[in-house]
Amino acid sequence: EAQVTQNPRYLITVTGKKLTVTCSQNMNHEYMSWYRQDPGLGLRQIYYSMNVEVTDKGDVPEGYKVSRKEKRNFPLILESPSPNQTSLYFCASRRPLDRGHTEAFFGQGTRLTVV
Amino acid sequence: TQLLEQSPQFLSIQEGENLTVYCNSSSVFSSLQWYRQEPGEGPVLLVTVVTGGEVKKLKRLTFQFGDARKDSSLHITAAQPGDTGLYLCAGRVGTYKYIFGTGTRLKVLA
Repeated sequence: EAQVTQNPRYLITVTGKKLTVTCSQNMNHEYMSWYRQDPGLGLRQIYYSMNVEVTDKGDVPEGYKVSRKEKRNFPLILESPSPNQTSLYFCASRRPLDRGHTEAFFGQGTRLTVV
Repeated sequence: TQLLEQSPQFLSIQEGENLTVYCNSSSVFSSLQWYRQEPGEGPVLLVTVVTGGEVKKLKRLTFQFGDARKDSSLHITAAQPGDTGLYLCAGRVGTYKYIFGTGTRLKVLA
């Protein structure tokens, strides 16, 4: 089954304690990205990756890091989490459609609480 | 900064009613997508509209892209409880870059 898998689904942590949220896709997609979802703000892109070893900042990258060492994996790293990073996080990969458009496949989300 | 505003933000209706959700921006998009997100899940693509004025139908859902490609609407006919969810529009601003709207949370009561 084609899917994007995130872990963990739920995480409660304390301010300053480094954490990693993993993301893996089995569709051989080149493009992957991370979003955070907050009430009334929709989905905002944190980082994206066009391919292995190619990453770039999205709209809200502060406080986050990513890496893309393999095509299937795109972990999100919070070196020193703060309470304002409490949010619902989604990893997504994109597949090409016709005429240059793409379809996003999202993971099930990771609900992060930083206390 | 490009923004996509959706209205209404919340909508609670009875089964069988019709409804329309709007997605508006001051920016032009080369295409626009609609996603539905159910509780505990990630968004799932419903449709992509590309041409100004384009109308696409998906069973009881009708999607329209504005003539100027700055806005879009989603109309649901005879809503059912299974239509409950968060509806998100997303405008394409680059090859892989999409800006997501603020979302409309729909609840259809049986």
